[in-house]
Amino acid sequence: DGGITQSPKYLFRKEGQNVTLSCEQNLNHDAMYWYRQDPGQGLRLIYYSQIVNDFQKGDIAEGYSVSREKKESFPLTVTSAQKNPTAFYLCASRGAGANVLTFGAGSRLTVL
Amino acid sequence: AQSVTQLDSHVSVSEGTPVLLRCNYSSSYSPSLFWYVQHPNKGLQLLLKYTSAATLVKGINGFEAEFKKSETSFHLTKPSAHMSDAAEYFCVVSGLSSNTGKLIFGQGTTLQVKP
Repeated sequence: DGGITQSPKYLFRKEGQNVTLSCEQNLNHDAMYWYRQDPGQGLRLIYYSQIVNDFQKGDIAEGYSVSREKKESFPLTVTSAQKNPTAFYLCASRGAGANVLTFGAGSRLTVL
Repeated sequence: AQSVTQLDSHVSVSEGTPVLLRCNYSSSYSPSLFWYVQHPNKGLQLLLKYTSAATLVKGINGFEAEFKKSETSFHLTKPSAHMSDAAEYFCVVSGLSSNTGKLIFGQGTTLQVKP
């Protein structure tokens, strides 16, 4: 079945460490997105990519980095510069000409 | 600028009674509107979408929503709640630059269904 796979589902990190969250899709979608979800704040856009080797900052990009070397993959690195990284991270993708996003199951990051 | 406001952060209903989740939007042009549902520790699933066709939109699991331009509303309803409907619901409007697929999310409404 086509879909989006995020891993790991749960991740614990010590302060000062970088961590990378994986997002893989087999939907042949061109565009991919990373959102951060905090209680009572809805979803906020971190980064998005509309095509391989290109990406743009979203509303809260500081402290995060991404790459888009392959169409299927859009990993997110949470760097030590992110002051409050504990959150639920959601990856999504969108097919050409569509305005509906397909979401992965999410990754919950906890900083100890 | 576009925005979306979900008027209730928490709604509690009894099983078998109607559900109403309220959403107002602000947009300078005719928007695309969506409702997504999220069960605990899961991703978001599309319930329904409005894209300037029929103003009454039917979605999955018996949900529907009505686009009312005069009231700038897109409320989500269901005639009879089921225990499995307990989840968080997001009203979403497409961004001004719709070709980027950027979405603007409401704050979310948590639906509690009591037996």
